[in-house]
Amino acid sequence: DIQMTQSPSSLSASVGDRVTITCRASQGIHHFLAWYQQKPGRVPKLLIYAASTLHSGVPSRFSGSGSGTDFTLIISSLQPDDVATYYCQTYNSVLRTFGQGTKVEVK
Amino acid sequence: QMQLQESGPGLAKPSETLSLTCTVSGGSVSSSYWTWIRQPPGKGPEWIGYIFYNGATNFNPSLKSRVSMSIDTSKNQFSLNVSSVTAADTAFYYCARDWGAGCDHWGQGILVTVSS
Repeated sequence: DIQMTQSPSSLSASVGDRVTITCRASQGIHHFLAWYQQKPGRVPKLLIYAASTLHSGVPSRFSGSGSGTDFTLIISSLQPDDVATYYCQTYNSVLRTFGQGTKVEVK
Repeated sequence: QMQLQESGPGLAKPSETLSLTCTVSGGSVSSSYWTWIRQPPGKGPEWIGYIFYNGATNFNPSLKSRVSMSIDTSKNQFSLNVSSVTAADTAFYYCARDWGAGCDHWGQGILVTVSS
């Protein structure tokens, strides 16, 4: 089974900061990776699919990159509305696996 | 706009079977992968599995022995059964549409508590 490992598990940054979250797969998954945002008390929302394609309506300050085993989610300029936990998920095989999440807070 | 809504009991007794249904509106279940995901309070989501419109399924290996799913295209619904539940199965249960590149539509979720 593929394991997805995110780092860091949490971070605190100031408004306007560039934030970087990484996701590592235990084996190569090509570009079959999605990122989700889950705000407190809310349902997860799809942010990015195919490692780097923004889902409809997602602000352009979010971007994704990577292929194979190493992936990155970047928030170019952190906003108060971005306080949330972010999860990666692979869909490389018939199975899907989530990372354990990265909690993003604003200082 | 597609909407999904979970329904079912919010309480299950240990050793019994948890049964949930997801009703889809604004779209047809006759395409895509119809997915169940659960999330224990305060923890990350866990993919349970999905069912395709023709009834084909794939499940999380860690749950495979206790999980079944079905789909009713005439009612635009799909369902989840988890047998022999324990307190560890207490979670928010979400249904979602997986379009092959992630889950783009989610239900609001239903909290199922396993307790006697």
